[in-house]
Amino acid sequence: NAGVMQNPRHLVRRRGQEARLRCSPMKGHSHVYWYRQLPEEGLKFMVYLQKENIIDESGMPKERFSAEFPKEGPSILRIQQVVRGDSAAYFCASSPMEGREETQYFGPGTRLLVL
Amino acid sequence: AQTVTQSQPEMSVQEAETVTLSCTYDTSESDYYLFWYKQPPSRQMILVIRQEAYKQQNATENRFSVNFQKAAKSFSLKISDSQLGDAAMYFCAFSYNNNDMRFGAGTRLTVKP
Repeated sequence: NAGVMQNPRHLVRRRGQEARLRCSPMKGHSHVYWYRQLPEEGLKFMVYLQKENIIDESGMPKERFSAEFPKEGPSILRIQQVVRGDSAAYFCASSPMEGREETQYFGPGTRLLVL
Repeated sequence: AQTVTQSQPEMSVQEAETVTLSCTYDTSESDYYLFWYKQPPSRQMILVIRQEAYKQQNATENRFSVNFQKAAKSFSLKISDSQLGDAAMYFCAFSYNNNDMRFGAGTRLTVKP
């Protein structure tokens, strides 16, 4: 059973370009979460999605950032017109739908570097 | 609001010795979950141990155990017989309604040979 998969693992973008980060949850999981980790800091919640729905985006910057989790395919975190401050590790986590399973299983992260 | 505090930015331990990492949290909820995650240099987040707040018994996983003090809102991690591979960042985390997970700032553990 493959774990949470994220790609790319490393992404380099120049200021003003777009960054697309992908997350495939564990098999059977329909809840996806995105976190951002700035250097030497803990993870910060960004957004929580279920299939085709954004449940909580309270941690998402109001501009340039968007996320989706379509019926088919991976969840996408999209950052438009990237700036140097967007450089960070972005982690995706997933959890199953049934029950009150609270454990979130994390992917390996995508390291975004904005030049 | 739920907050998680790890008051030890860095800790070190001699190989084969025991170390305890501290974590406190703040919540008004009575039913929640607590976790310790390990983040080695690869930056992958690895679940170390998990505790349900309604369980009085402290969780254990091999060399890892917790001291869960619900009234004091304390959730420390004890690593016994420390190994070089235990060196990593350790994050304490809290989850109430599965909407998100609150993490502490992390403790960097160094294991000395």
